[in-house]
Amino acid sequence: QVQLVQSGAEVKKPGASVKVSCKASGYTFTSYPIHWVRQAPGQRLEWMGWVNGGNGDTKYSQRFQGRVTITRDTSATTAYMELSSLRSEDTAIYYCAKEARGPAAHNWFNPWGQGTLVTVSS
Amino acid sequence: DIQMTQSPSSLSASVGDRVTIPCRASHNIGTFLNWYQQKPGKAPKPLIYAASNLQSGVPSRFSGSGSGTDFTLTIVSLQPEDFATYHCQQSYSSPYTFGQGTKLEI
Repeated sequence: QVQLVQSGAEVKKPGASVKVSCKASGYTFTSYPIHWVRQAPGQRLEWMGWVNGGNGDTKYSQRFQGRVTITRDTSATTAYMELSSLRSEDTAIYYCAKEARGPAAHNWFNPWGQGTLVTVSS
Repeated sequence: DIQMTQSPSSLSASVGDRVTIPCRASHNIGTFLNWYQQKPGKAPKPLIYAASNLQSGVPSRFSGSGSGTDFTLTIVSLQPEDFATYHCQQSYSSPYTFGQGTKLEI
């Protein structure tokens, strides 16, 4: 079955960077984008960006432009999300999700990884 | 960016009830609207895609409707496992924005 398994929880100091991995299995990795979504405490889900599993093209939310880098390693069927210049407001659970596709260009996120808690604290 | 609004943020109901959860988009998004269910400590799980299509494996008591700017998730005959938070999300244009979620409580 399709599965995304993320790396473990991280604790970082303000100003540092964090890199979260997302290991995919059960489907052709190069055929689908992987998206990253975060959920800060008490906040709504927030889309950060995606990486094309095939050619590595990326698109980022303007809110994170310049601070986020999403990459993928096709040989490892793994996507990565790196967030730099961390601040306390970046404390959140970070999820990866595979893009699912339907008719007429509809897409949604299915499945999701289990989430990775990133805590930013001095 | 397209703003997604879910109101109310919480809703009380009982087992066996029929509930409707609304979601409004700030712009016309056609039927590019998805619904997810999230339980505490778990990742969101897709329920409905393209406004009204049931994700494989999701019980038929869940249904979605709407187009343009106004959408509704309906659950008939609520079961104990349905008490969770429900999120709408637009996939019309990036950034792919979510509503703030509606928590369904007993």
